[in-house]
Amino acid sequence: GAGVSQSPRYKVAKRGQDVALRCDPISGHVSLFWYQQALGQGPEFLTYFQNEAQLDKSGLPSDRFFAERPEGSVSTLKIQRTQQEDSAVYLCASSLGNTNEKLFFGSGTQLSVL
Amino acid sequence: DQQVKQNSPSLSVQEGRISILNCDYTNSMFDYFLWYKKYPAEGPTFLISISSIKDKNEDGRFTVFLNKSAKHLSLHIVPSQPGDSAVYFCAAMDQGAQKLVFGQGTRLTINP
Repeated sequence: GAGVSQSPRYKVAKRGQDVALRCDPISGHVSLFWYQQALGQGPEFLTYFQNEAQLDKSGLPSDRFFAERPEGSVSTLKIQRTQQEDSAVYLCASSLGNTNEKLFFGSGTQLSVL
Repeated sequence: DQQVKQNSPSLSVQEGRISILNCDYTNSMFDYFLWYKKYPAEGPTFLISISSIKDKNEDGRFTVFLNKSAKHLSLHIVPSQPGDSAVYFCAAMDQGAQKLVFGQGTRLTINP
């Protein structure tokens, strides 16, 4: 596709439910990043992949958060036993090379946990 | 611990005038700085960047200035146009770390 695609666009979950958020990066992009953006705040780093390797997961807030990119293209961010504080926009971004100097962001998935 | 701060949540500027958005950072390891622009319901889009070896970078109507001693950068937009109305995020990185640290954003409104 022409840009980074994220699905679903909106997700409403009941507290305690598991959710899975999908990211399709730009074809051929090596690096993939997940960010979390709370209301009124800037995006905060969650995790980074270079191809299929997860090189940095230091931003994942708890062990309920898990991300994978098994074939080096599509990535899934999974949140287990969702809590109200997980409500945010989850942004995926990709870049062609091994750096994030020119990141292309998707439109995000807005997660609301009730 | 907010390593990148944008202290003005909003800014209103008349069309044709200069818009100046400011950003401060605390981490002296940051060596690359970027500005992103975000429209509602869209992801941020890259606008302009600057390396710590420079103090100015210009691209059309957009200029970024870096003052390393003050740990301060600014984005100048001149002349401002209605299409510039958006939220602007300052971001910084340590190029060895591969993760951007964003400020909270400044909502810029350009008035006709």
